[in-house]
Amino acid sequence: DTGVSQDPRHKITKRGQNVTFRCDPISEHNRLYWYRQTLGQGPEFLTYFQNEAQLEKSRLLSDRFSAERPKGSFSTLEIQRTEQGDSAMYLCASSRTGATSFLNTDTQYFGPGTRLTVL
Amino acid sequence: RKEVEQDPGPFNVPEGATVAFNCTYSNSASQSFFWYRQDCRKEPKLLMSVYSSGNEDGRFTAQLNRASQYISLLIRDSKLSDSATYLCVVTAFTGGGNKLTFGTGTQLKVEL
Repeated sequence: DTGVSQDPRHKITKRGQNVTFRCDPISEHNRLYWYRQTLGQGPEFLTYFQNEAQLEKSRLLSDRFSAERPKGSFSTLEIQRTEQGDSAMYLCASSRTGATSFLNTDTQYFGPGTRLTVL
Repeated sequence: RKEVEQDPGPFNVPEGATVAFNCTYSNSASQSFFWYRQDCRKEPKLLMSVYSSGNEDGRFTAQLNRASQYISLLIRDSKLSDSATYLCVVTAFTGGGNKLTFGTGTQLKVEL
């Protein structure tokens, strides 16, 4: 399977615990995005990497959240001291920029998501 | 006010019907527009891009009106397999990337 993969697919944790999710993008995709989706809502942007550089973070990403993409390939999203409000589907997407266009529209391909439940 | 607004539905239609979804967006700097489809408990998948000139892909037609900041999706001859949530998506180039801004989605149920 050459699509975006995420691990784990499901995570149940107790409030106050730390959790870490992993995303493996499509090979050679240089952009990687994290989104969060709660029930009945569309996904909301959290953060974005181009190669290993984290270029933008949403205000939704509190200081309990940290994301890394150390070698410009896979990425991890860690949530410290989880709260019940963190319960959601965490989606990762990757894309590849075009070679010539500055304002290009890179198609984002989503992984299956990690469903987090905080008890 | 949400950046992208959609009627959440559900739209319950018989097989073979034509159904239209609408979406409005508030950021006039939005540059690209899409419809994504999301099946229950699955990830969103790109259905089609939306262009000012309008575009068609089989039974699906998308339209964009930049002046009114309005996007539409028309599904003709709907199939049972079209049952899903349809997400209206806009992007604005920012910080080097194209973060997607999603509507809440419109749920479609196609029935026999």
